[in-house]
Amino acid sequence: DIVMTQTPLSSPVTLGQPASISCRSSQSLAHSDGNTYLSWLQQRPGQPPRLLIYKISNRFSGVPDRFSGSGAGTDFTLKISRVEAEDVGVYYCMQATQFPLTFGGGTKVEIK
Amino acid sequence: QLQLQESGPGLVKPSETLSLTCTVSGDSITSSTYYWGWFRQPPGKGLEWIGSVSSTGTTYSSPSLRSRVSISVDTSKNQFSLNLSSVSAADTAVYYCARLAGPSFGLDVWGQGTTVTVSS
Repeated sequence: DIVMTQTPLSSPVTLGQPASISCRSSQSLAHSDGNTYLSWLQQRPGQPPRLLIYKISNRFSGVPDRFSGSGAGTDFTLKISRVEAEDVGVYYCMQATQFPLTFGGGTKVEIK
Repeated sequence: QLQLQESGPGLVKPSETLSLTCTVSGDSITSSTYYWGWFRQPPGKGLEWIGSVSSTGTTYSSPSLRSRVSISVDTSKNQFSLNLSSVSAADTAVYYCARLAGPSFGLDVWGQGTTVTVSS
């Protein structure tokens, strides 16, 4: 199984300031088809998860452009350029390069 | 607009089988390049993949749950189902169904989730 490790566990951020979350995989997420199936999900309190980013850096429909993803191989980053109140929640990275699908442990973004 | 809705008992006794159904509306479950999956989230914890079924009926499941998991598709009802046998308190969680969309392989549509408690 591919193990996904996220840091930090918690990220207190001032409104309007940037936030960054790191995700590392135990092996390369590059698929033989040339794609890297690393995605980011947001889970607001009491809500189901919501897809933000797929294939490292592609924003899903309706996702604000303050969210961006980057990385390659085994190291990936989600950045929020200017945190807004609605961004509070837990963020998960997930790999779908191979079954079993695996998630990072989650990073809680909260307002200072 | 595609929607997923989980249904099933909220309380299951230890050693019994947990059975949930996900009803898909707004698209056919047999549409190509999709996988339909089950996930769970124990109270206060992170997300865990349970298993998925492809639009052609091929199933995949978590190695840690494989011996207890069965996932099936009912195309006539546009539903897919989860059976998890021999449950214990450790299976208490919010259970979600979601679509894994090829070729993005992102979990792009989620159900609202259903809470299942295992208790006598």
